[in-house]
Amino acid sequence: GAGVSQSPSNKVTEKGKDVELRCDPISGHTALYWYRQSLGQGLEFLIYFQGNSAPDKSGLPSDRFSAERTGGSVSTLTIQRTQQEDSAVYLCASSVRQGVYNEQFFGPGTRLTVL
Amino acid sequence: AQSVSQHNHHVILSEAASLELGCNYSYGGTVNLFWYVQYPGQHLQLLLKYFSGDPLVKGIKGFEAEFIKSKFSFNLRKPSVQWSDTAEYFCAVRNQAGTALIFGKGTTLSVSS
Repeated sequence: GAGVSQSPSNKVTEKGKDVELRCDPISGHTALYWYRQSLGQGLEFLIYFQGNSAPDKSGLPSDRFSAERTGGSVSTLTIQRTQQEDSAVYLCASSVRQGVYNEQFFGPGTRLTVL
Repeated sequence: AQSVSQHNHHVILSEAASLELGCNYSYGGTVNLFWYVQYPGQHLQLLLKYFSGDPLVKGIKGFEAEFIKSKFSFNLRKPSVQWSDTAEYFCAVRNQAGTALIFGKGTTLSVSS
């Protein structure tokens, strides 16, 4: 079946511009996660959505970052006034639901380059 | 705060050599541990996971990992690597809230044929 999809696959933007990154989770998955993978830094958690519950935003690095999830499915991560340090691969993952036993399935990521 | 340390940044092996990649985590309570792999040009995928029970966990492609609570470790092993194991390997622990994974910085494995 279809996995997690993300768009665009690559995004180049100028410093100060806003960007939107999209994630389509696996159908039926109620939990959705955003991570950021910077060179040499591994993956950092950004935000987590579970159904209609309030999201866990504890990983967002600044108030320039926000995310929403419409209809419990598609999610958009928005970065306002981008900075060069925002350059990274942004990964989305989904799981059947929150819980200890539920594997997170990752998308291919969006590579963001801020010039 | 919880953290994960992977001590080997880049490991280079010949085919048929044995592999052990180190992973240590900081949290002392109940832990759920994972190893993910990212092959060149592919998505992150789960290799194996530990939740409870037998501390020796077997995963896909002949990989295994051992949970040693006293050492806060979850090292990944494979008796005989193949060229196709060339990839980046990430160790992760579920955060206390259960809402995310905390990843190590990854280990790049290069296997020469």
